[in-house]
Amino acid sequence: EADIYQTPRYLVIGTGKKITLECSQTMGHDKMYWYQQDPGMELHLIHYSYGVNSTEKGDLSSESTVSRIRTEHFPLTLESARPSHTSQYLCASRGTSGTGELFFGEGSRLTVL
Amino acid sequence: AQSVTQPDIHITVSEGASLELRCNYSYGATPYLFWYVQSPGQGLQLLLKYFSGDTLVQGIKGFEAEFKRSQSSFNLRKPSVHWSDAAEYFCAVGARENTGKLIFGQGTTLQVKP
Repeated sequence: EADIYQTPRYLVIGTGKKITLECSQTMGHDKMYWYQQDPGMELHLIHYSYGVNSTEKGDLSSESTVSRIRTEHFPLTLESARPSHTSQYLCASRGTSGTGELFFGEGSRLTVL
Repeated sequence: AQSVTQPDIHITVSEGASLELRCNYSYGATPYLFWYVQSPGQGLQLLLKYFSGDTLVQGIKGFEAEFKRSQSSFNLRKPSVHWSDAAEYFCAVGARENTGKLIFGQGTTLQVKP
């Protein structure tokens, strides 16, 4: 059973607010990822990290930023939310061994009014 | 460019009927292949994966998938669908380098009729 947690699950916020989506995993995984998923669409990688102090931008450009100060924690921040940021954000992790599968959190659904 | 195509956006089957969800990929080498399922409001759960060896892989919940290199396909099958299988299904490919980055298809929404 994967242990990766995202908060909040649902967030409705006004334009211009700063938001942070939290993601924590208790598996000791080095690699962590943020995917963005619009309704009925595929998942797009927006950020990833290979370990502490390592962050990279993904395949889909995003105005969000991430940090990785601790192995278990990979928060995503939007400094000034806009309606175009409305989406579901999924956090995932994987270990260094294994065959490449990702373990996903339950997602954070963000609505910006 | 690497890509994953799931040709069927929506599929409706009757409970007890068989199911096949199609997945085609474009990749420069033999990738890792995955099928994930997503219930409404939930994250993704791994159904099965192909890494190497036997091209017919068994997964959870009675699902199986067959890797066909010649067709660049990795179709998901289930012999008898249950109402609880209604969900969205995603095919994904990953590089064999240790990056862990996956490319996902657009997803297939499965509806099950009673």
